[in-house]
Amino acid sequence: AQTVTQSQPEMSVQEAETVTLSCTYDTSESDYYLFWYKQPPSRQMILVIRQEAYKQQNATENRFSVNFQKAAKSFSLKISDSQLGDAAMYFCAYRGYSGGGADGLTFGKGTHLIIQP
Amino acid sequence: GAVVSQHPSRVICKSGTSVKIECRSLDFQATTMFWYRQFPKQSLMLMATSNEGSKATYEQGVEKDKFLINHASLTLSTLTVTSAHPEDSSFYICSARDSVTDTQYFGPGTRLTVL
Repeated sequence: AQTVTQSQPEMSVQEAETVTLSCTYDTSESDYYLFWYKQPPSRQMILVIRQEAYKQQNATENRFSVNFQKAAKSFSLKISDSQLGDAAMYFCAYRGYSGGGADGLTFGKGTHLIIQP
Repeated sequence: GAVVSQHPSRVICKSGTSVKIECRSLDFQATTMFWYRQFPKQSLMLMATSNEGSKATYEQGVEKDKFLINHASLTLSTLTVTSAHPEDSSFYICSARDSVTDTQYFGPGTRLTVL
């Protein structure tokens, strides 16, 4: 079974600074997807960024970028120019490909990100 | 992005009653939907995969007779918590897979409280 580990229960960063959230995972599959989701107090899950394992290039979405190290099974999220609206729980998630893409997600325990004004 | 709705957003029921939660994809068709459960200050745990026109696939440890799933159309999946007990109180979240974009979109969740 796949596991996703987020070792930082909480992180704090000053507004406008950069913060990196860590995630490691364990899998025996070669094809899979990795995601970072944001869950604000409203509890609506919002997709931040996704990475296909077969792609060597790290995904980027505006201020959000990942450092994907497939051999090390590491998938960290970097948030640049942190904004107050970035404050939320961040979940790292894994999705296999055994179901042809119709697999559910395995989530890490989450990192609570605090933005200091 | 695509929109997924859930209804109701909150429900309070008495122990022993059944509660139905609806999950709808509003602007795309979803042959596959997923049901997750989230306890306070914890992560999301996949409960089951709902496939249109066929039986749901349940994760290990999830009682299929307690959590009935029906996916009768390409835009609707329902989760019925039967004979609910206080330990079933939780936040239930559905997601729907858009096969065109291969992206899962999440609903806003349903908070179930069983008294």
